[in-house]
Formats: sequence, structure tokens, C-alpha cells
Amino acid sequence: EDKVVQSPLSLVVHEGDTVTLNCSYEVTNFRSLLWYKQEKKAPTFLFMLTSSGIEKKSGRLSSILDKKELFSILNITATQTGDSAIYLCAPILGGSEKLVFGKGTKLTVNP
Amino acid sequence: GAVVSQHPSWVICKSGTSVKIECRSLDFQATTMFWYRQFPKQSLMLMATSNEGSKATYEQGVEKDKFLINHASLTLSTLTVTSAHPEDSSFYICSARRPGLQSTGELFFGEGSRLTVL
Repeated sequence: EDKVVQSPLSLVVHEGDTVTLNCSYEVTNFRSLLWYKQEKKAPTFLFMLTSSGIEKKSGRLSSILDKKELFSILNITATQTGDSAIYLCAPILGGSEKLVFGKGTKLTVNP
Repeated sequence: GAVVSQHPSWVICKSGTSVKIECRSLDFQATTMFWYRQFPKQSLMLMATSNEGSKATYEQGVEKDKFLINHASLTLSTLTVTSAHPEDSSFYICSARRPGLQSTGELFFGEGSRLTVL
């Protein structure tokens, strides 16, 4: 059975802090892994990771994948209140192109 | 702006009635759309894969006779919750992949439809 575990499930920090969100997975026919940010409604795309060890960056956010150890991390530096959201990771299964979502990490950034 | 539109955003219905939710790709043709359900404090669970011009593929445990999916055109997929019951109350989200971006794997999500069955 495909499994995606995100940790922590919930995190409360102060503005300016740096956070690291974890995603471990066990899936059949792994192709790539996606990170999404979900605020009130639909998830919005952050990163797609396919190769191990190559960091992807977008502003204060960065992410990296380790295909040997089957995990990915999402880092957010100098957090802002607008970063408060649920962050979801989802491996893509090759062939079916299905996404298997983790339960997400709920990040709360307090002023 | 939004590239996948979902309607309605909110719907409240009585137990036993049927509810239809529409998912439209606004500026591209989507041969495949995905329908997810999200319960409070839970993740998105894939319900079915909607294929234009053919039958939808349902995930294990999802009743195909209860959740009817029709993908009649390249820009529209509909999910009909038949004979809805309170336990069907949930947040339903569709997604579509824009052709030409297969290599990025990026999916565009609709805004979601919150269904409440009384």
C-alpha cells in the first residue's frame, strides 16, 4: 500500500523563524514528488522534485529530495504570517500519474 | 488567474437528493481530470480519474454508482453525488494537467466545492 507520512503534523512559530517540513514516502513506481501549499481552498503548486540531491529554490522556500532514503524536506526561511497554511507533499506514481497525498503539515506563523 | 474552475463553491442539500459539481479547464483541453475528496483535518484522497470520452477509473472503496463522473468534453468533467447522505459531506476538489506540461507534473486545482448534506 502506498504511504506518505508528513511531519510534524502541526507547527507554530514566530515570524522570522526558519522551519523544516518533512515528507517520507513508500510508493510503488515513484516518478516525482510535488509540494503544495493549501490555504483556505485549493492547493497551489510549489515544487516538483525528480532527481535526488538537487535543491530547488523559490524565494524563501527551498526543497530537496533523497530518493535513496525516500524522503523530501521543504525549508522556509524568515517565515512570515502569510506562510501560514497546510503544506502537502505528494509523490507522483509513474504510469498512472496519480498523486498520493500526505496528511500535510499545518504551519502557523505568529507575528 | 484560475485555470480550472469549479462550481458550485458551496452546496447544501437534503439527504436523499443528488448534487452535481462541475469542473472546467478554462484555457486548455484536459483529457484527464482527477477528483479528490478532503475531510476535515485529512489529506486529499483521490476518488477517481476522469477520462474524456471513456469511463472513469475509480479508486478502491469509492462507489461508482454513488459518485457518477462524466467527462463529456475536453474542458468539462462533472461529479454527481447521488442520493447524498450526511456522511458524504466533504470538500470535493478537481484537478487537471495542462497538456504540454506533462514533464513538469504540475496539476491545476479547482477552488473546491464544499458539500453539506442535512
